[in-house]
Amino acid sequence: DGGITQSPKYLFRKEGQNVTLSCEQNLNHDAMYWYRQDPGQGLRLIYYSQIVNDFQKGDIAEGYSVSREKKESFPLTVTSAQKNPTAFYLCASSIGNRAAGYTFGSGTRLTVV
Amino acid sequence: QKEVEQNSGPLSVPEGAIASLNCTYSDRGSQSFFWYRQYSGKSPELIMFIYSNGDKEDGRFTAQLNKASQYVSLLIRDSQPSDSATYLCAVNTGTASKLTFGTGTRLQVTL
Repeated sequence: DGGITQSPKYLFRKEGQNVTLSCEQNLNHDAMYWYRQDPGQGLRLIYYSQIVNDFQKGDIAEGYSVSREKKESFPLTVTSAQKNPTAFYLCASSIGNRAAGYTFGSGTRLTVV
Repeated sequence: QKEVEQNSGPLSVPEGAIASLNCTYSDRGSQSFFWYRQYSGKSPELIMFIYSNGDKEDGRFTAQLNKASQYVSLLIRDSQPSDSATYLCAVNTGTASKLTFGTGTRLQVTL
């Protein structure tokens, strides 16, 4: 079955630590996205990529980094510069045109300890 | 002004009634509109999309789009307790494929 897989489901980060969230899709989608969801604030775009080896900042990119070395993979690193990283992180993919909806992964819940 | 606005709710409707969820957007150039359902602690799932003015029906769901007034709505007929969730409106507002989401409306269907 085609889909989009995020791991881990739960992640705990210590102060000053970088952590990487994994996102893999086998839908042959060109575009991939990372969103952050906080209670009452909806989904906010962190980074997106419309093609391999290219990505753009979203609305809240500070403290995050990404790479897109393969079409199937779009990992997100939450760096120590992100001061309030506790949130629900959602990865999504689409075929990459304006008419396309997203397929979401199951999400990673990150907590600072 | 937020690009995509929704009333956060909760919207409470009795079982069997029609639930009406509304969304307004600011970019007149928007072309694609989506409704996602999100259960608590889960990821969003696409339930409807609409591109043209008018109504689009799929089972118990009807999406309505009015580009002149810049609003899109979702009607859920014969509401069931399993419809209780947060409904996110999403709009393609630019030249890229990315979507802008509203903050969502929480729907509660009561017995």
